[in-house]
Amino acid sequence: SQKIEQNSEALNIQEGKTATLTCNYTNYSPAYLQWYRQDPGRGPVFLLLIRENEKEKRKERLKVTFDTTLKQSLFHITASQPADSATYLCALDDTGRRALTFGSGTRLQVQP
Amino acid sequence: SAVISQKPSRDICQRGTSLTIQCQVDSQVTMMFWYRQQPGQSLTLIATANQGSEATYESGFVIDKFPISRPNLTFSTLTVSNMSPEDSSIYLCSVEDLAGGLNEQFFGPGTRLTVL
Repeated sequence: SQKIEQNSEALNIQEGKTATLTCNYTNYSPAYLQWYRQDPGRGPVFLLLIRENEKEKRKERLKVTFDTTLKQSLFHITASQPADSATYLCALDDTGRRALTFGSGTRLQVQP
Repeated sequence: SAVISQKPSRDICQRGTSLTIQCQVDSQVTMMFWYRQQPGQSLTLIATANQGSEATYESGFVIDKFPISRPNLTFSTLTVSNMSPEDSSIYLCSVEDLAGGLNEQFFGPGTRLTVL
């Protein structure tokens, strides 16, 4: 069966450290994978998209890697700040439908 | 980037009634989607709202329960029919913005529905 798995346990880190979140998928062949941030009571906000032929993508303090052999994406936030505290969702598009399938999300808590 | 508004932002409804949620986009978009997010869960796609034709529903969702309208390229509605407490969720619409060459989706703020 198809699955998108993210760490269900909250990730707690100290301010200034690098947060690394994992997204694993099975039985999908995505053309791209996306990461979103969701704050309580709000809709998800797009952060980064990485295509199947890209290994790495960066945007300011954010970095995403995509390994289609391992079927895994890693999402890094460097120099983390308390304002980065939120739930981070990975999502992918399968079979070109352009609708997204979301993982369950990982809650990140950055301690000052 | 597209700006999306939803109405109502929240509602409390009685079992057996129906609620229609509106989604308005500030620009014309081809693809609009409706998602549900149950408490503590991730987002689940309900359907793709197609302009000028019937919506495309995902497995487990049917038109009689979740009728969708898409009268033009900036507006869509989702109705939650004959509600039960299990329908208590946040309902989100999203659109795909290809303007930047990406397939990113923009989400509305959501409608928080509580069914008593």
